[in-house]
Amino acid sequence: NAGVTQTPKFRVLKTGQSMTLLCAQDMNHEYMYWYRQDPGMGLRLIHYSVGEGTTAKGEVPDGYNVSRLKKQNFLLGLESAAPSQTSVYFCASSYPWGLAGAYNEQFFGPGTRLTVL
Amino acid sequence: SQQGEEDPQALSIQEGENATMNCSYKTSINNLQWYRQNSGRGLVHLILIRSNEREKHSGRLRVTLDTSKKSSSLLITASRAADTASYFCATAIQGAQKLVFGQGTRLTINP
Repeated sequence: NAGVTQTPKFRVLKTGQSMTLLCAQDMNHEYMYWYRQDPGMGLRLIHYSVGEGTTAKGEVPDGYNVSRLKKQNFLLGLESAAPSQTSVYFCASSYPWGLAGAYNEQFFGPGTRLTVL
Repeated sequence: SQQGEEDPQALSIQEGENATMNCSYKTSINNLQWYRQNSGRGLVHLILIRSNEREKHSGRLRVTLDTSKKSSSLLITASRAADTASYFCATAIQGAQKLVFGQGTRLTINP
C-alpha cells in the first residue's frame, strides 16, 4: 500500500496564480486533513473532511478551498496565491473517531513545498 | 496561543543518554498523541495515551499524562543517532474531530 501520497512535491507560483494540491490515500480512511507547517508554528489545520462530500474549516482556512468528491482523494486549492501562503503543506488521513472517544492516529503524506513569489 | 506547547524547543544530547520532552495543553482532552518528523518528511505516529491512562510504554518510549496539570512527557531511553528528529505532541480535544499540534521539540543526538 502506498499510504498517503501528495502531488506535486514542489511548486513555485507567482502571486495571483492558482493551483491545486492533490492528496490520495489507499487505506479507506473516512477522515482527511490538510495542514500547513511554518517554521516555529508547528502544524496548523487548514480544512478537513469527515467523509465523502463533506468539508469543514480548520484553524487557518482563509485563501484556501477544498473538495472531497471521492473518499480516497482530498484536494486543496489556492485560487489566488499570496506570498503568505509559502509553506509546506501536509495531508493526513485517519479512521473515524469512535463514539466512545476512541480517537485514532493520523497518517501523513510526505508534504508539498510551495513557494509563492 | 496554541493548545499544545512543548518544552524545550530544542534539545541536544549524547548518544546513549535519555531524552525528555514535555507538552502542556489548555482544554480537556480525550487523548494525547506523540509524533516524530524527520527532516523533510511527513509526521509519523509514535504513541497515543488516553485521558484515563497515566503511563504508557512502547519499546524505548515512555509517555506519561497528568490531566490535573494538563501536561504530558515523552521519554526516549538509550537514545540513538536515528532518533534525531522533531517531536510533536497533539491533543484530541473533547467533542472535536481533529488534533491540535504543538510547536515541536527539535531533538539532536550527538554521536
